[in-house]
Amino acid sequence: ILNVEQSPQSLHVQEGDSTNFTCSFPSSNFYALHWYRWETAKSPEALFVMTLNGDEKKKGRISATLNTKEGYSYLYIKGSQPEDSATYLCAFLALGGGATNKLIFGTGTLLAVQP
Amino acid sequence: KAGVTQTPRYLIKTRGQQVTLSCSPISGHRSVSWYQQTPGQGLQFLFEYFSETQRNKGNFPGRFSGRQFSNSRSEMNVSTLELGDSALYLCASSSTGGGTEAFFGQGTRLTVV
Repeated sequence: ILNVEQSPQSLHVQEGDSTNFTCSFPSSNFYALHWYRWETAKSPEALFVMTLNGDEKKKGRISATLNTKEGYSYLYIKGSQPEDSATYLCAFLALGGGATNKLIFGTGTLLAVQP
Repeated sequence: KAGVTQTPRYLIKTRGQQVTLSCSPISGHRSVSWYQQTPGQGLQFLFEYFSETQRNKGNFPGRFSGRQFSNSRSEMNVSTLELGDSALYLCASSSTGGGTEAFFGQGTRLTVV
């Protein structure tokens, strides 16, 4: 059974704080790692799709790194803003699942940014 | 271009009934996946359809089934509903395989009473 774990479960920060979350996934049979942001009453929205060990991706104030050998990815948010408040999900895709879209999701990190 | 559309948005059904949910993917996308979210659980993969064929299936009982039409629209059916089937059901469309991002609909909130 493939297990994807995210920590922390929830996080409360002040506006302007920088923060980071962790996603742990199986280190064997890696194909891809996805990050999504899910705001209340909206659909999950893709942030990054990462496929190579050592990948670093950035979108505005949000960036992510990937270590496939040890099975973890970090998501960083620099200078958090209230509009960053959302649940951040990571999803693992196993090799052999590469021709499909069977994403295994973690339970997410709920971020609340206080103004 | 239009996003992923799921209908209906909300549904209340009685135990033992059956239900059909619909998902229209982004134009040109051939892959549609279905996920279930219950309180305290992450998104659980139900199944994926690609070009009208089921390409992968999660660990759900046979009461959960789906299909995909030639225009890539997909339906999910749950027969003999149980209280535990109450959940948010999301569908996601992708252009091809798992290296590409998934685009999600807003979901159907199913309540079984």
